[in-house]
Amino acid sequence: AQKITQTQPGMFVQEKEAVTLDCTYDTSDQSYGLFWYKQPSSGEMIFLIYQGSYDEQNATEGRYSLNFQKARKSANLVISASQLGDSAMYFCAMRALVLKTSYDKVIFGPGTSLSVIP
Amino acid sequence: GAVVSQHPSRVICKSGTSVKIECRSLDFQATTMFWYRQFPKQSLMLMATSNEGSKATYEQGVEKDKFLINHASLTLSTLTVTSAHPEDSSFYICSARGGMTGYTFGSGTRLTVV
Repeated sequence: AQKITQTQPGMFVQEKEAVTLDCTYDTSDQSYGLFWYKQPSSGEMIFLIYQGSYDEQNATEGRYSLNFQKARKSANLVISASQLGDSAMYFCAMRALVLKTSYDKVIFGPGTSLSVIP
Repeated sequence: GAVVSQHPSRVICKSGTSVKIECRSLDFQATTMFWYRQFPKQSLMLMATSNEGSKATYEQGVEKDKFLINHASLTLSTLTVTSAHPEDSSFYICSARGGMTGYTFGSGTRLTVV
């Protein structure tokens, strides 16, 4: 079964410091994709970064980078130079194939609440 | 960029009534739409997947007669919560396959059943 695990329910980080949010996944698919989304209190889902299973280089998007370790099935998010506006829920997600169909879906981990301290 | 417009953003309804939530892709054709439910301080749980012109596929444990999904066109999918009860109060959010990131989310609907 496909599953996403985020073991940190809550994290604190000092403003301007870097923080790593953990994500491990379980899938038997050879081809899959991993996402990170930010959800502020407003509820909207903000796309941060994407890593394909066949991508050899770790994805980076501005202050966000994804530490992809395929053998360990982990896809940790690193946020550099934290800002107060980074305080939000962060979800790791995976694109998973639906059995016996030709389409896929995105499943989410339980999330990590990040608080940036001034 | 790709935009999915979701309405209403908030709705309060009386117990026993039905509520319809709309998700519309504004600048792309969404052949597949996903519907999620999120309880406070919890993750997004996939309820169902709808493909244009065909019946929705529901996740295990989701009542298809209670949560009616219609995807009659390439730009519009609707979720109707029938005979709503207070335990149906939740945040409902749709996601369409399409756009730069592969999946574009609506802004969500906060449903309160009183």
